[in-house]
Amino acid sequence: AQTVTQSQPEMSVQEAETVTLSCTYDTSESDYYLFWYKQPPSRQMILVIRQEAYKQQNATENRFSVNFQKAAKSFSLKISDSQLGDAAMYFCAYRSAVNSNYQLIWGAGTKLIIKP
Amino acid sequence: EPEVTQTPSHQVTQMGQEVILRCVPISNHLYFYWYRQILGQKVEFLVSFYNNEISEKSEIFDDQFSVERPDGSNFTLKIRSTKLEDSAMYFCASSTGAWGQPQHFGDGTRLSIL
Repeated sequence: AQTVTQSQPEMSVQEAETVTLSCTYDTSESDYYLFWYKQPPSRQMILVIRQEAYKQQNATENRFSVNFQKAAKSFSLKISDSQLGDAAMYFCAYRSAVNSNYQLIWGAGTKLIIKP
Repeated sequence: EPEVTQTPSHQVTQMGQEVILRCVPISNHLYFYWYRQILGQKVEFLVSFYNNEISEKSEIFDDQFSVERPDGSNFTLKIRSTKLEDSAMYFCASSTGAWGQPQHFGDGTRLSIL
């Protein structure tokens, strides 16, 4: 079974600086998708970024980028120029592309604190 | 931008009572999901739904749970006889497709069982 691990329960960063959130996963599959979701205090789960495992190029979405290391099964999220609105729980999630397995498998989350 | 909407935002129910959580997925989406998040724990998958039937369900989704799409817009989760351990945040999500299409989430319903 696949698992997702986020080893940092909490991270803090000074506003305007860069922070990296870690995520590792375990799978025997070769094809899958990885996601980062953000959950602000308003609690809505918001998609931040998506990576397809068969693509070597790291996904980027404005200030958010990932470092996808398939061999190491690592999928970290880098937030550049941190803003107060980035404060939230960040969840890493895995989804199989091999079979009819539609569910997202989630990490435990990292609470990101932005210091003004 | 279209959103998934969930009602109510907070539901308080006596143990043993039935509860129905409602969701309106994004209109052109075809796949629907329920997840739950017990306070302080990971988000857990409950069920996925496509073409008017369950396509996948987890071990959590036992006989006490059911899902329904009663009309063209709503997607409901029913818990038949609630237990204390059903207290959690319940999230509905929808997606256009299954493979890698991002799931879009609602704000969640906080279910409190007394």
